[in-house]
Amino acid sequence: DQQVKQNSPSLSVQEGRISILNCDYTNSMFDYFLWYKKYPAEGPTFLISISSIKDKNEDGRFTVFLNKSAKHLSLHIVPSQPGDSAVYFCAASYTGTASKLTFGTGTRLQVTL
Amino acid sequence: DTGVSQDPRHKITKRGQNVTFRCDPISEHNRLYWYRQTLGQGPEFLTYFQNEAQLEKSRLLSDRFSAERPKGSFSTLEIQRTEQGDSAMYLCASSPQDRGRGTPQETQYFGPGTRLLVL
Repeated sequence: DQQVKQNSPSLSVQEGRISILNCDYTNSMFDYFLWYKKYPAEGPTFLISISSIKDKNEDGRFTVFLNKSAKHLSLHIVPSQPGDSAVYFCAASYTGTASKLTFGTGTRLQVTL
Repeated sequence: DTGVSQDPRHKITKRGQNVTFRCDPISEHNRLYWYRQTLGQGPEFLTYFQNEAQLEKSRLLSDRFSAERPKGSFSTLEIQRTEQGDSAMYLCASSPQDRGRGTPQETQYFGPGTRLLVL
């Protein structure tokens, strides 16, 4: 049972344009959501998070939007840069589970020149 | 202290051998997690410790797997009688303790992982 889904395995965006990565979840108990970026042969690097009490969180070029009614979140990267090329994972957790994370399967972002 | 460290980074072993991995968390973090990632999948939760107590284990963690965190600092993950299906990236993460309902949950920070290949 895939509780966190990233339905786009890959995305290609031109440098300077916006990248939008999507994530859907099925467990309504999730109340904390995170995005991680992963390069090959490295561990995931934390990017940005959002609590369910908010619908938007921004950090520099990265913005995460949360739509609780649709059980959907998205990560916007503006402007996209070649160094953003990596696999992006959406993750979720809920209070009372010791913050253990449930991950999606990832979206590979390629930022082209 | 610059982050979570894991050792070794790579391990190749023959089926049936035992392997042990080590994780050193960020020093002020009292929660430590182990995850496993296979090709094309996201990391999957295996187990977690709060200080030295192992408080939860996933059903993915068969009897051949054991994890310890004897002094509440570093942790080890041992796999006995390895099988080819154990080949994966083993990731360790740490976080400060969740401060409870009504407060923001704490972010987990990951180490570089140990890539295991069982021949």
